[in-house]
Formats: sequence, C-alpha cells, structure tokens
Amino acid sequence: GAVVSQHPSRVICKSGTSVKIECRSLDFQATTMFWYRQFPKKSLMLMATSNEGSKATYEQGVEKDKFLINHASLTLSTLTVTSAHPEDSSFYICSAREGLAGGVFDTQYFGPGTRLTVL
Amino acid sequence: AQSVTQLGSHVSVSEGALVLLRCNYSSSVPPYLFWYVQYPNQGLQLLLKYTSAATLVKGINGFEAEFKKSETSFHLTKPSAHMSDAAEYFCAVSLDTGRRALTFGSGTRLQVQP
Repeated sequence: GAVVSQHPSRVICKSGTSVKIECRSLDFQATTMFWYRQFPKKSLMLMATSNEGSKATYEQGVEKDKFLINHASLTLSTLTVTSAHPEDSSFYICSAREGLAGGVFDTQYFGPGTRLTVL
Repeated sequence: AQSVTQLGSHVSVSEGALVLLRCNYSSSVPPYLFWYVQYPNQGLQLLLKYTSAATLVKGINGFEAEFKKSETSFHLTKPSAHMSDAAEYFCAVSLDTGRRALTFGSGTRLQVQP
C-alpha cells in the first residue's frame, strides 16, 4: 500500500514557540491531505482538509490562525502550531488521499503521527 | 451529517476465540464505511472498507465486516484471535462527497488473553 510519513515523530517545545509538522506521501501524489488530532484514549477529530495549491478548509472550532496549514506540493502538507500552549499537546495525525478527485472511490493512508508536548 | 457509534470501549477475548467489534452508523445518504487499526504510538492502518459493492467485506489479517443496512451496522469480526491483534480499532464513515473526510468512532481497545 501507499506510504505516508510524518516528521517529526515526537516534539517537545516551550510554551509560546511554534512547531511545524510535515506530512509526506512517499510514493503517490495526494491532491488532498487531512489533519486529525487525537487526545489520549480518544478518537480522531478532523481539524482541516488540505488541498494542493489552495487554502485549507478548517472544521468548526479549529482556529485557522493557530493551526496554519500549507499544501505546497502534491506530496507535502505542513501543519504549523503557532504560539503553542500546553493545551495544544496532542497526537497529530495526517492522512493523504490517493486517487484523482471525482474518480473511483479512493483510500486515505495515514501517517504514523506526531506527538506534541508543550511545556 | 454522519456519525459512528462503537459499542464497548474495551473488549477482551482469549487467544483463538471469536473477535466481534461492534459499529453502528448514522448517515442521511449511503455511506462508505471503514475499519482501521492503531497500534500504540502509531498511525492508522486500513483493515477493510465498504464502498457499496459486496455487503460482506474481507480485509487484511483475517478480519471481515458485514454491512447491514437494516441494522445500520458494520461489525468487525475475526474467527480466531491472535495475540498480535491486540490494538485499538476504529470504525469510520465517509459520505460520497468531494472531501471524503472521515468521521471516526470512539474506538475499541481489543485485548487478547493467552
């Protein structure tokens, strides 16, 4: 199957700093990538949908100025947590959708996740 | 809007026993349904998906799920549990929209006892 990587896998930062997380589709082109957040022992909550070359679509309640998403190429999307605070500590997971928009139903492939700890 | 309910946050079975993880969905339009598995500190791996073809879907690692429209269910089963099946399992639903974003259930942690 297709492979999605995330970097870094784990990051610890001080409150007030910004952290960038990368999501890459390694062997396919992804016109759409999704960013999820997972709290301990909880399910995944969709944060935003990232489309290559256009602005991300954020879910209700997600601050777009807080969580900056850039999808500059068909294989890379980045999530930047700006001015991070302890409540932003979480497990962030991206997924990339393989397939052409409007084509046969395609599959989302998930990255291994990034654990962010804000002190 | 769509939603997914997973009954039982924890399920414990003996090695070799039947695995049954329950998932019920709510959707105003025909849904696409998925089961994912997550091992500790890892991302999600697709087990299987239902996309309106056969109602009985076979996936990886011996898992299968049956779509029952009348019961709005998509339960995951495996005839014989293996120790390596211990993980968190998520049921998810997606509508036939351009975004194809997934809505996840709350997850079920499967424990396999020797």
